[in-house]
Amino acid sequence: DQQVKQNSPSLSVQEGRISILNCDYTNSMFDYFLWYKKYPAEGPTFLISISSIKDKNEDGRFTVFLNKSAKHLSLHIVPSQPGDSAVYFCAASSGTSYGKLTFGQGTILTVHP
Amino acid sequence: EAQVTQNPRYLITVTGKKLTVTCSQNMNHEYMSWYRQDPGLGLRQIYYSMNVEVTDKGDVPEGYKVSRKEKRNFPLILESPSPNQTSLYFCASSSWIQGVLLGELFFGEGSRLTVL
Repeated sequence: DQQVKQNSPSLSVQEGRISILNCDYTNSMFDYFLWYKKYPAEGPTFLISISSIKDKNEDGRFTVFLNKSAKHLSLHIVPSQPGDSAVYFCAASSGTSYGKLTFGQGTILTVHP
Repeated sequence: EAQVTQNPRYLITVTGKKLTVTCSQNMNHEYMSWYRQDPGLGLRQIYYSMNVEVTDKGDVPEGYKVSRKEKRNFPLILESPSPNQTSLYFCASSSWIQGVLLGELFFGEGSRLTVL
């Protein structure tokens, strides 16, 4: 049972435009969400996180939006750059067990110059 | 340099031959965890450890063992590897603040394991 789903395996965007990566979850106990970026042959690196007490968190070009009623979060990258081309994973955890982190399948983002 | 180090980075082995993938971090992190990455399935958590001598199962613990005898090390043990354990494995670590995972997991570079 996939509790965190990224339904778009890939996304292609032109440089300078907005990239929107989506993530849905089914477990209503999840209250902390994170995004990670992964380049080939490297480990994932942390991008941005959001707690369920917020609906938006911003860090430079990256903004994460959380819609609790829809159990949906999205990562916006504006403006997109070729160096943003990577696999993006969303992840979720709950206050009952913050050590247990559930990841989505990942979305491959390609930003074309 | 702050880092999470995994060894070996690449390994080809045969079914049933016990192996250990080591993981070491130099950031004095309390939390450590193991993940496997498979096509179409993303990252799945195998085991995690909140501190020394404290370990717990993730989503896919079957066929794996872990131990946390020292804060810096968290080895992953495959007692009797099988072909379905062929995967890319990542170790990660992080700190806690007041019982909350900081969120910024630091990952190792990965260990690609093939079981024939």
